[in-house]
Amino acid sequence: GEDVEQSLFLSVREGDSSVINCTYTDSSSTYLYWYKQEPGAGLQLLTYIFSNMDMKQDQRLTVLLNKKDKHLSLRIADTQTGDSAIYFCAEGTSGTYKYIFGTGTRLKVLA
Amino acid sequence: DADVTQTPRNRITKTGKRIMLECSQTKGHDRMYWYRQDPGLGLRLIYYSFDVKDINKGEISDGYSVSRQAQAKFSLSLESAIPNQTALYFCATEDGVVTGELFFGEGSRLTVL
Repeated sequence: GEDVEQSLFLSVREGDSSVINCTYTDSSSTYLYWYKQEPGAGLQLLTYIFSNMDMKQDQRLTVLLNKKDKHLSLRIADTQTGDSAIYFCAEGTSGTYKYIFGTGTRLKVLA
Repeated sequence: DADVTQTPRNRITKTGKRIMLECSQTKGHDRMYWYRQDPGLGLRLIYYSFDVKDINKGEISDGYSVSRQAQAKFSLSLESAIPNQTALYFCATEDGVVTGELFFGEGSRLTVL
C-alpha cells in the first residue's frame, strides 16, 4: 500500500545544517511537499517540489528528490531555534483528494 | 483572524457522548478535509468534500460523520465517542488548482474518557 516514512526525531545544534529524510511509495504523485507544524498550530506548507525536478532551493531550504529510490530530503541551512517543529513529508496530486502524509520528524534545535 | 478556524480547540468528553467539531474558512475554497493526527502515525484522512453536495469517506471514516453546511463550513461528528478517538483533529482546505497546497486550521484536541 501507499506509505510515506520518516524518522521520528532529529536533534541539531544551532547554526548547523539539518537534513530530514523521507521515503515514499506512490510514483504517480505529481508533487512532494514539506509541511511544518509548530507547537499548538496547524500544518503550514514550507515548500514543495514537482515530481519531474531533482532539486529546489528556496533561501535556507533545499529539497532533493531521488525518483529512482523514491527518496525526498529537506535540508535547512544555518538551523535556528525557531526551526524547532515537526516536519511532515507528503505526496499527492493536485486535483485529487489523495495526499499521503508521513509520520512527521520532530526537529529539536539546541542552542 | 485565521483563514481556517476550528472550534472547539480543546474538548474532554466521556465515552458514548456525541461530539461535533466545527470548521469554517474564509479562503473561498471548495475543497475541505478532515484529518486525524496521532503520535507516530502522521495524518490520516477521515472525510473530504469537493463541494457542498459532494461528501466522501477517507481511509478511517468508521465512527465519524460529516456535514457540509455551506462552502465555508464543514463539521465532523462523533455520534458515540470512544477512547480510541482521542486525537488531534485538523480541518484543511484546498483550492484544487496548481500545486495542491492544503491550508490547515489550528486543530481540535479531543480527549474521550
